[in-house]
Amino acid sequence: GQNIDQPTEMTATEGAIVQINCTYQTSGFNGLFWYQQHAGEAPTFLSYNVLDGLEEKGRFSSFLSRSKGYSYLLLKELQMKDSASYLCAVSDGNYQLIWGAGTKLIIKP
Amino acid sequence: ETGVTQTPRHLVMGMTNKKSLKCEQHLGHNAMYWYKQSAKKPLELMFVYNFKEQTENNSVPSRFSPECPNSSHLFLHLHTLQPEDSALYLCASSQDLGGQGNEQFFGPGTRLTVL
Repeated sequence: GQNIDQPTEMTATEGAIVQINCTYQTSGFNGLFWYQQHAGEAPTFLSYNVLDGLEEKGRFSSFLSRSKGYSYLLLKELQMKDSASYLCAVSDGNYQLIWGAGTKLIIKP
Repeated sequence: ETGVTQTPRHLVMGMTNKKSLKCEQHLGHNAMYWYKQSAKKPLELMFVYNFKEQTENNSVPSRFSPECPNSSHLFLHLHTLQPEDSALYLCASSQDLGGQGNEQFFGPGTRLTVL
């Protein structure tokens, strides 16, 4: 079956760096997405990786290793507004998005 | 504002009621989706439409019935629901199906409670 695993919850301190991991097993691979979802709101797109390596976008970076079925989202200089759930999703061989359950990130002052 | 709107935002219905959820996208996208989001569970893909044609129905009970009259509008018709159907129902759209450049844009969702 197809499966996406990510930690349920993480806590970090304002101003620090946090890495949210995602491992996946899917039938085919057409890219990996990260989304951010604040409580009570819709998910919003953060990043897309289809090739191995690191993609940097401001304070957020996303890394992919296709051979390991692994990705991480790196958040730097954490701000209180970064408190949210972070969803990992993989586009499988049929271009369907398979979603993880999300990682709730709690930022403390 | 993501360019995807959903109405109503909140809905409370009895098990014998019939109601409809509406989604509209103003992005010129070709693909539209219905998802169910329950607490602490992954997003569950319910239906996918591409160019108004349904391409996926992920074993969704027949009490949920989608309708896509054109590429900008998507409906989810509800009838004889069960309490376990209470969840956040999200609509999304993307330019096309799949990978790069086809990130999904989500509406704000409808919070459904079935009594």
